[in-house]
Amino acid sequence: DTGVSQNPRHKITKRGQNVTFRCDPISEHNRLYWYRQTLGQGPEFLTYFQNEAQLEKSRLLSDRFSAERPKGSFSTLEIQRTEQGDSAMYLCASSLARATNEKLFFGSGTQLSVL
Amino acid sequence: TQLLEQSPQFLSIQEGENLTVYCNSSSVFSSLQWYRQEPGEGPVLLVTVVTGGEVKKLKRLTFQFGDARKDSSLHITAAQPGDTGLYLCAGVASGTYKYIFGTGTRLKVLA
Repeated sequence: DTGVSQNPRHKITKRGQNVTFRCDPISEHNRLYWYRQTLGQGPEFLTYFQNEAQLEKSRLLSDRFSAERPKGSFSTLEIQRTEQGDSAMYLCASSLARATNEKLFFGSGTQLSVL
Repeated sequence: TQLLEQSPQFLSIQEGENLTVYCNSSSVFSSLQWYRQEPGEGPVLLVTVVTGGEVKKLKRLTFQFGDARKDSSLHITAAQPGDTGLYLCAGVASGTYKYIFGTGTRLKVLA
């Protein structure tokens, strides 16, 4: 299966700890997106990359959040000093940049629970 | 700030009934997509509409993009239990590749 892979699937941590999630996109995809989703809501945009460049970052993202995509391949999302309000599903999606009809392919997400 | 409001928020219907889900915004989008998401999984793309007034059909699902490209609808004919899930619209504005997702419509189709 060559879909978008996210690890870990589940993460339980204590408040104040740092966590890091990994996303492996579909190999030929040059765009990579991170979203956060709480139960029953639509995904909330966090940031996106084109190749290794981080092109946009949500103003909702505090300084505790950082994302990287070294070499334009996999990406990591780190949350420092986690808070209970960070508990959510973190989704990664990748796409092949097109002028029109771009398709986002999502991974199964990482479910974060902050105790 | 671009917002996409979906209605209804929840919908529970019997198998065989028809339904329509709406996605509305005050902003213009260069394209709009519809996704379906099942519990514990990421959203899966159903369709992309690009042209104002465009209508696309996917089996029993009919998608329409508003003439002004500010709204869209999803109509399901003769709903089946397999249609159960969270339906999401997502729009992207001109000059950006940031996809903004709607608030979601949770559909449950009872056998």
